[in-house]
Amino acid sequence: GESVGLHLPTLSVQEGDNSIINCAYSNSASDYFIWYKQESGKGPQFIIDIRSNMDKRQGQRVTVLLNKTVKHLSLQIAATQPGDSAVYFCAEVNQGGKLIFGQGTELSVKP
Amino acid sequence: GAGVSQSPSNKVTEKGKDVELRCDPISGHTALYWYRQSLGQGLEFLIYFQGNSAPDKSGLPSDRFSAERTGGSVSTLTIQRTQQEDSAVYLCASSEQGASETQYFGPGTRLLVL
Repeated sequence: GESVGLHLPTLSVQEGDNSIINCAYSNSASDYFIWYKQESGKGPQFIIDIRSNMDKRQGQRVTVLLNKTVKHLSLQIAATQPGDSAVYFCAEVNQGGKLIFGQGTELSVKP
Repeated sequence: GAGVSQSPSNKVTEKGKDVELRCDPISGHTALYWYRQSLGQGLEFLIYFQGNSAPDKSGLPSDRFSAERTGGSVSTLTIQRTQQEDSAVYLCASSEQGASETQYFGPGTRLLVL
């Protein structure tokens, strides 16, 4: 079956450090991946996406890396700030257009 | 511009009652999705509407769950004879054209079944 999972349920980093959140996916046919950030009491917020014809995509302070060989996705956050504290989900869009979410990684930023 | 809105934001109901949850997608978005998120968990796909096509209902957990989308815009998710295990956050998302387009989420409706 299809599944997208995250390696670590929690991640604690010091303010100013870089954060790396990892994700493994199982459907090699998926061609579109998204990272979402969810703050407490809110819906998921789009951060960055990447299509399978790319290995890397950069946004503002965030970079997504895709390794199709090992079916691995990562989100890198540069100079992590307290406002980055949230749960981060990777999601895979399957051929039917459904988002398949992982369980999430809770990022905690220590001042 | 306005994002996805959902109402009510919170709903408390008694076991056995029916509830209706509403979603207003972003104007012009043809695709609309419903998800369920249990406490501390990821999102579980429920149903997907794309334009005038028949909806993909493959994620609905039981026949107590149904959804409509009227006029290609507003959607209502109905849960009949609610059970305690239905307690969760119900999230709606919309995207411009459907598959492989970014989905934008509403704030969710927090449902508590007593």
